[in-house]
Amino acid sequence: GEQVEQLPSILRVQEGSSASINCSYEDSASNYFPWYKQEPGENPKLIIDIRSNMERKQIQELIVLLDKKAKRFSLHITDTQPGDSAMYFCAAPPNYGNEKITFGAGTKLTIKP
Amino acid sequence: EAAVTQSPRNKVTVTGGNVTLSCRQTNSHNYMYWYRQDTGHGLRLIHYSYGAGNLQIGDVPDGYKATRTTQEDFFLLLELASPSQTSLYFCASSDRNERLFFGHGTKLSVL
Repeated sequence: GEQVEQLPSILRVQEGSSASINCSYEDSASNYFPWYKQEPGENPKLIIDIRSNMERKQIQELIVLLDKKAKRFSLHITDTQPGDSAMYFCAAPPNYGNEKITFGAGTKLTIKP
Repeated sequence: EAAVTQSPRNKVTVTGGNVTLSCRQTNSHNYMYWYRQDTGHGLRLIHYSYGAGNLQIGDVPDGYKATRTTQEDFFLLLELASPSQTSLYFCASSDRNERLFFGHGTKLSVL
């Protein structure tokens, strides 16, 4: 299955500043790159995704960048708020039949007041 | 919003016990997944399936069996539970190259 490396594992930023999480993947044929947010005691939920026909996607304060040549994609949270404190996971499902979806190891983001 | 329901929400068993975790999705999704989540390890894939009667091996399958009886129902079986299987278990469903919808999780404790 696709191996996805996610860094950093722990991230602390000041409220109002930006936070960035990076993922790299192996399969150059992957074409769908989701990001999930998991708040304490909750299940993971999709917050933003990007497909390989795009290089950049923004939903409000969330920005995803995709560099297919380098096989890297990243999540940027601008103007962070306390509610952004959570675990974040990336995934890069393989683009062939069996859909073995594995996740990066996760990033624990803490927003400091 | 797609619905994935897991049961039970909490389970306590003893070493050597027999446990079945249930998952039902009403989204008509082909793919269903079982993950375990442990501090420091993120979400690790145990087993998955792309349809009734199908089973695929994940990354951490040892000690687990699974069965997909219908398109809606996916079960995870621990026939001889061990303390190392104490964890938070998530079921999820999706269509191909689409988002995953997660259940609310089952907290399993093996004493």
